[in-house]
Amino acid sequence: DAGITQSPRYKITETGRQVTLMCHQTWSHSYMFWYRQDLGHGLRLIYYSAAADITDKGEVPDGYVVSRSKTENFPLTLESATRSQTSVYFCASSESLGGNQPQHFGDGTRLSIL
Amino acid sequence: GQSLEQPSEVTAVEGAIVQINCTYQTSGFYGLSWYQQHDGGAPTFLSYNALDGLEETGRFSSFLSRSDSYGYLLLQELQMKDSASYFCAVRSHPNSGYSTLTFGKGTMLLVSP
Repeated sequence: DAGITQSPRYKITETGRQVTLMCHQTWSHSYMFWYRQDLGHGLRLIYYSAAADITDKGEVPDGYVVSRSKTENFPLTLESATRSQTSVYFCASSESLGGNQPQHFGDGTRLSIL
Repeated sequence: GQSLEQPSEVTAVEGAIVQINCTYQTSGFYGLSWYQQHDGGAPTFLSYNALDGLEETGRFSSFLSRSDSYGYLLLQELQMKDSASYFCAVRSHPNSGYSTLTFGKGTMLLVSP
């Protein structure tokens, strides 16, 4: 099915562990984004990518690593998870950054770090 | 830095009209977007304003005043299914790199019968 999918939907892990959240889109959109959503903070941009092999930091990049070897995939890795990274993570994609091009969001990954 | 202010919660009854305000401070402003999110699900795009004035899309309208750094989302003929969180987001280009969206903290709309 066309769209943007995130996996896993739920994840529980321990502090210090590495965890990777996956994001896959079938539209061939150039731009992809990772956000985290916490109570009282809304959606905050972690990293984004303008194309394969082009990534840049957002508002809260510390503790996260991204890669984009293929246009359709944009994984987010927490190299050594901390409790403060417990959050809901949303991936999004858009065709362009200009005009009224919307960002299309996945259903999110609910990550708990114990 | 960039900041957006919107009310945390708004309540209304079915059939009514409700306005959700958003004020922002940013540099390199391009436009104001609105997104809807039901029960922590995927946010979905509602509207985008780049120029001053009112944009209408069915029961929803969005307004922007660039000189006042202010916008609002207007929901008419409210339905129970409109109960959701609504986020304003500014597209801006504050420094080198690409323009990105900065989201407000969201307004929870509760529609009662």
